[in-house]
Amino acid sequence: DVKVTQSSRYLVKRTGEKVFLECVQDMDHENMFWYRQDPGLGLRLIYFSYDVKMKEKGDIPEGYSVSREKKERFSLILESASTNQTSMYLCASSLEAGEQFFGPGTRLTVL
Amino acid sequence: QKEVEQDPGPLSVPEGAIVSLNCTYSNSAFQYFMWYRQYSRKGPELLMYTYSSGNKEDGRFTAQVDKSSKYISLFIRDSQPSDSATYLCAMSAGNFNKFYFGSGTKLNVKP
Repeated sequence: DVKVTQSSRYLVKRTGEKVFLECVQDMDHENMFWYRQDPGLGLRLIYFSYDVKMKEKGDIPEGYSVSREKKERFSLILESASTNQTSMYLCASSLEAGEQFFGPGTRLTVL
Repeated sequence: QKEVEQDPGPLSVPEGAIVSLNCTYSNSAFQYFMWYRQYSRKGPELLMYTYSSGNKEDGRFTAQVDKSSKYISLFIRDSQPSDSATYLCAMSAGNFNKFYFGSGTKLNVKP
């Protein structure tokens, strides 16, 4: 079974802090994704990566950056957290264009 | 116009009913189609994956893709209270491409 893990299930941070969200997948998938999910807005793509050190902006990259130094790990960085970044963050991975598997999510609250 | 349209529901059915969930899309390049189930405060779980047109069955679940009508469906037979969740459709055109998600349909199966 594909397993996608995220470093934290719940996280509380203060405005202005730098926040790191880590994601690890164990199935040697090329593609990895970061989404945020908000009520009424659905899943929105922040960034994705189709190879080590490669990244592509998604629909809402502003205020975020990513890092992919190893194939199995994809990190999302909030450079200076703001209250409007309070959300559920979901990491996913996929093999080519096929099935995409999600992690359990990180519920981030920015105070 | 959104790439993927999905009725948000909520949809409420009695236990044992047949449930039909649907999505329409506008991009004829989509070839990969997925259905996810998401319980409250959890990550989406991949239920069904289909490439191109046709039907796929897995236990009580059947996925149908009609590319000529740009319409996909998920049928749940003998629905159970444990099926109560939000169901998301997703699709992709191929490698190095994003996945596009519906907004999700909330299903409630009453005992």
